[in-house]
Amino acid sequence: KAGVTQTPRYLIKTRGQQVTLSCSPISGHRSVSWYQQTPGQGLQFLFEYFSETQRNKGNFPGRFSGRQFSNSRSEMNVSTLELGDSALYLCASSYEPGQKNEKLFFGSGTQLSVL
Amino acid sequence: DQQVKQNSPSLSVQEGRISILNCDYTNSMFDYFLWYKKYPAEGPTFLISISSIKDKNEDGRFTVFLNKSAKHLSLHIVPSQPGDSAVYFCAASENFGNEKLTFGTGTRLTIIP
Repeated sequence: KAGVTQTPRYLIKTRGQQVTLSCSPISGHRSVSWYQQTPGQGLQFLFEYFSETQRNKGNFPGRFSGRQFSNSRSEMNVSTLELGDSALYLCASSYEPGQKNEKLFFGSGTQLSVL
Repeated sequence: DQQVKQNSPSLSVQEGRISILNCDYTNSMFDYFLWYKKYPAEGPTFLISISSIKDKNEDGRFTVFLNKSAKHLSLHIVPSQPGDSAVYFCAASENFGNEKLTFGTGTRLTIIP
């Protein structure tokens, strides 16, 4: 069974640009979450989608947005990029959210560098 | 405000000995705790979890202990093996599940052969 797939693997952008990252969950998984990992901050929750609806949102500015498609694939978008947006963006999937002891499966991430 | 804290950025342990990784939290609403392991260039992988109704959970060489009164949990790895060298993240949630996890900053564990 294929794991969580994130594309692209690496991305270099300049300040002010926008970027779209893609995530394909494990087959059969309908919940997708996004996390940002930066040195010294650990992983910070961005948002979670289930059945094309955003269920939870972290404390990030409105420049960060996402969506989920009917096939459970998800995209996140960051507009007007800032230097501080340089980070590893991780996508995680699970069968359904809120299930006790349900595990999250992470992709390898997209490393975004903003110059 | 870091609600989940891993105060040791790194830890070195000899192969065969016990590795103890610590994690503290401040949010009393957390009721489910998880440990993830991360190798370079890979996403985190789930290791072990514990719910707040327990104080210990064991899975092979890995044991997690929870002290709710102290808001502290620890991961014990016995015996430590070279393949255990990785970054370990502690995480917590408020609903016994995997939603909206709050992660610590991680501890880099190095096992010395």
